[in-house]
Amino acid sequence: AQTVTQSQPEMSVQEAETVTLSCTYDTSESNYYLFWYKQPPSRQMILVIRQEAYKQQNATENRFSVNFQKAAKSFSLKISDSQLGDTAMYFCAFMKRSNYQLIWGAGTKLIIKP
Amino acid sequence: GAGVSQTPSNKVTEKGKYVELRCDPISGHTALYWYRQSLGQGPEFLIYFQGTGAADDSGLPNDRFFAVRPEGSVSTLKIQRTERGDSAVYLCASSLKGGVAGYYNEQFFGPGTRLTVL
Repeated sequence: AQTVTQSQPEMSVQEAETVTLSCTYDTSESNYYLFWYKQPPSRQMILVIRQEAYKQQNATENRFSVNFQKAAKSFSLKISDSQLGDTAMYFCAFMKRSNYQLIWGAGTKLIIKP
Repeated sequence: GAGVSQTPSNKVTEKGKYVELRCDPISGHTALYWYRQSLGQGPEFLIYFQGTGAADDSGLPNDRFFAVRPEGSVSTLKIQRTERGDSAVYLCASSLKGGVAGYYNEQFFGPGTRLTVL
């Protein structure tokens, strides 16, 4: 069975700083996807970034980038130039390729202070 | 176009009552998913529909939970004899397809229904 662990329950940084959220996972699969989702107080899950396990290059989306270490089963999210609107819960999630079930971590509450 | 919608936004009920939670997926999405998110936790998979049929209901916790999608669009999650432990946010998501070999289809989420059982 797959598990996803987020060891930081809460983080807080000043606006414009860079912050890194950690995620580790456990799987025996070789083909899978990893995701970071953002959940603001509105509760709607929003996909931030996706990484395909067979790709060695780390995914980037504007201010968001990941550090994917497949051998270490680590998948961290870096947010550069943080903004007040980045305040939210962030969830790391795993999905086997050719599957549909998202397996989620417990989340990290990120607070961006003005 | 419109995103995934869920009604009601909030539902308060008493222990032992029956509740129905509704999900309207994005038009054209054949795959639909229900997840349950308890306080302070990540979501947990409940059930997956491909079209009208439940392709995987392995996440339903017990036989008090049931879901339907009779016309392959709107889905209803039904909970009988509610218990306080059922209190959670119930999230619905939809995608173009699900579980197709070699293809990734993003799941788009609704805002969820917060169920409180008193």
